[in-house]
Parts: sequence; structure tokens; C-alpha cells
Amino acid sequence: AQSVTQLDSQVPVFEEAPVELRCNYSSSVSVYLFWYVQYPNQGLQLLLKYLSGSTLVESINGFEAEFNKSQTSFHLRKPSVHISDTAEYFCAVSPNTNAGKSTFGDGTTLTVKP
Amino acid sequence: NAGVTQTPKFQVLKTGQSMTLQCAQDMNHEYMSWYRQDPGMGLRLIHYSVGAGITDQGEVPNGYNVSRSTTEDFPLRLLSAAPSQTSVYFCASSRGTGWLGEQFFGPGTRLTVL
Repeated sequence: AQSVTQLDSQVPVFEEAPVELRCNYSSSVSVYLFWYVQYPNQGLQLLLKYLSGSTLVESINGFEAEFNKSQTSFHLRKPSVHISDTAEYFCAVSPNTNAGKSTFGDGTTLTVKP
Repeated sequence: NAGVTQTPKFQVLKTGQSMTLQCAQDMNHEYMSWYRQDPGMGLRLIHYSVGAGITDQGEVPNGYNVSRSTTEDFPLRLLSAAPSQTSVYFCASSRGTGWLGEQFFGPGTRLTVL
């Protein structure tokens, strides 16, 4: 069994400020970890993923996340946010042997204000 | 490639009616999944399939049926719609063998049951 907890349901920040969206997980098997982003009235898009190797992973638009095995966390960070980053963000885990069986957190709504 | 497509985009049903949500992918992905998204609850897995002819239940399967006769298609059937099934439904697909961790999502179907 696996579960995901996103610790903040809403995060309001001002433009150009740093942000951290927190995610904790639990699982009895080895997992892959993901962050997805959902813009209004759209499906989910992969933001970044941790499969193995370096614990710090980065996306092309400036987000990064660090896998911390001892704290079972996978927090998402960005040093300076833009208005266009306003969206809902989902943390997810999947068993590394089953691509179709993901468990998602409840989501964090990031609102970037001018 | 069209990616993952879903039809219809919107649907209104009366309690007790049945219908099928369509999902198709043209990426030759082995794994396909159905999720429902409700406010504040993230995405919850309904059913998934690891290949043609193979399906399994997810977290919230009651009231839904699936079948997978081809690699491309994975329809979701509501047998007797209930107001509790009002939700946004997302279909997703991913590679099986050599999976690199990403699920590709369709644009969603917004279903209202009166």
C-alpha cells in the first residue's frame, strides 16, 4: 500500500518570491516519485520525476525537487515564481514495477500574485 | 500523434442512466488507467490495464466497468449513474516495458449526474 500527503492545500505567493510545495509519502515497496501540474480546465502534465540516482531533480522551467528517503519526502521548490506558474500541483507515487497504478496527493493550489 | 484522447468532453446524465466514456491513445502504450478527480481529493484510481485483455481494480472501482480489447482503447462504463459519480474523469497511458516513469493524460471528461 502507498499513500501521499501534500501538506498545503493552498499556497499564495507574490511574483518573484521563492516557493516550496511539500509532499510526504509512504510505501511498502520501492517507488518512483512525480510532480504533475494542472492548469485550469486541462489534464495533468508531468513536471519532474525521480526514478533513481541523484536525489535532486530539475524541470525545464526552473522547478526542482529533492528526494529524501529518510524523511520520505519529495518537496517541490522554485527560487522565483512567475504569474504563469499559477496552477494546481500534484505529487504522486507509483510502484516501480507498475506504471499504471499511481497514487496522487490531494493537490496544492499555487497562486502567484503580482 | 494525438496522444491520449477522450470523448465526450462534457456529459449530463440522469440518475440510473448508463453510458461509456471513451479513451484512446496512439502511442502504443501498454498501460492505461482511469482516474476521477473531485475537489480537494486529488486523483483517485478507478481501474487500470497492463495490456490488452488484462484489467484490474483501483481504489474506487464500484459502479464502473472496463474492458481492454485493443492496445489503443480503454472505455469506462457507468452501469447505473448516481449523483456521487459527478466528477471529472481522466484517462492516462504509459509505457510498460522500459517504463520511464511518465503517464500521459487526456483532457478529461466532465460528468454531471442529476
